[in-house]
Amino acid sequence: GQNIDQPTEMTATEGAIVQINCTYQTSGFNGLFWYQQHAGEAPTFLSYNVLDGLEEKGRFSSFLSRSKGYSYLLLKELQMKDSASYLCAVRDGTALIFGKGTTLSVSS
Amino acid sequence: DVKVTQSSRYLVKRTGEKVFLECVQDMDHENMFWYRQDPGLGLRLIYFSYDVKMKEKGDIPEGYSVSREKKERFSLILESASTNQTSMYLCASHRGGNQPQHFGDGTRLSIL
Repeated sequence: GQNIDQPTEMTATEGAIVQINCTYQTSGFNGLFWYQQHAGEAPTFLSYNVLDGLEEKGRFSSFLSRSKGYSYLLLKELQMKDSASYLCAVRDGTALIFGKGTTLSVSS
Repeated sequence: DVKVTQSSRYLVKRTGEKVFLECVQDMDHENMFWYRQDPGLGLRLIYFSYDVKMKEKGDIPEGYSVSREKKERFSLILESASTNQTSMYLCASHRGGNQPQHFGDGTRLSIL
């Protein structure tokens, strides 16, 4: 079956670093996406990995290990505005399979 | 910038009504998708379309149908609305390949 696991909730403080993990077991794999979703808003694209390794984009980085079925999103220098849900999604053919999302709360 | 527009942000309908949710994208994308998002369940795919008049069932198509008569417009139809279809509905479009999906703002649908 298709399964994508990520922690339900995480908390962190401003200025800290947080790592959100995602493990997946899917019948196919054509890449892994991370999205950010603020409460009441649409998901917005953060990063994409299809090859093993680290992709860095400003304060955000994403890592992929295909052999382990594992990815993480790393957020540095946390800001209050980073409080949101973070969605891990695996592309299988045309469609995306989403995890249930991780709600990150950043406090001062 | 890609713009995906959903016709309503909030909608209230009654049990048994036929409900239409509309989605329009302005970037000539081939692929369009309908999801519902529920607390604790995440985003689940209802239907998607990879071309005009073409559709594929997602994970939870029961109780829904779709229509894609023009490339830019993808409609979700609840044939006979039921209370368990109360949810946030999100539309997305996708150029193809490694490009990300772009989402609309969502329609919060309540079935009374």
